[in-house]
Amino acid sequence: DTAVSQTPKYLVTQMGNDKSIKCEQNLGHDTMYWYKQDSKKFLKIMFSYNNKELIINETVPNRFSPKSPDKAHLNLHINSLELGDSAVYFCASSQMTAGYGYTFGSGTRLTVV
Amino acid sequence: GQQLNQSPQSMFIQEGEDVSMNCTSSSIFNTWLWYKQDPGEGPVLLIALYKAGELTSNGRLTAQFGITRKDSFLNISASIPSDVGIYFCAGRDTSGTYKYIFGTGTRLKVLA
Repeated sequence: DTAVSQTPKYLVTQMGNDKSIKCEQNLGHDTMYWYKQDSKKFLKIMFSYNNKELIINETVPNRFSPKSPDKAHLNLHINSLELGDSAVYFCASSQMTAGYGYTFGSGTRLTVV
Repeated sequence: GQQLNQSPQSMFIQEGEDVSMNCTSSSIFNTWLWYKQDPGEGPVLLIALYKAGELTSNGRLTAQFGITRKDSFLNISASIPSDVGIYFCAGRDTSGTYKYIFGTGTRLKVLA
């Protein structure tokens, strides 16, 4: 039973398109995150939702819009995709105040051509 | 903003050797985590540290939370080929957002 699952695993799309990545966790955690990992493998936080409320919104272009329909799901929609958006996007979840760290999904590799 | 620097950036070692890597910050953190990322997968938590000076082991892995709360190290004893991967440290932000800042990563390659 996968704890944090993301779909799709791979996404290849043309510049200018709009795409979505979905994430679901079955750990009962109250907080979910989106991280971006670039080609140098740096992991940077993008967004975080706690019980469906946006609590972290780092400096990210407003073409990126997260949506959390419930605390087990966090989706990422990207408008007008650009070449520089190519990266691996990781969803993660945690119990926010517990301090036990995140459980990550296996990532979505987005390639914009 | 807060930054975590890891060293070395990458290392090649022989199977059976011990490995040491560290993570330093210009800011204080209350919690340190060590993760490992295998190719094509997400990072997986190895060890969590919650108190300054704390030394914790998980099998062949040992990690310590620095006394100054600005650093941490990870040791791997008797490395094996499956230790290959990228090791990340992460420090918990003290601003109240509970987010973790990730280090720049140490890429480990083990030669059989």
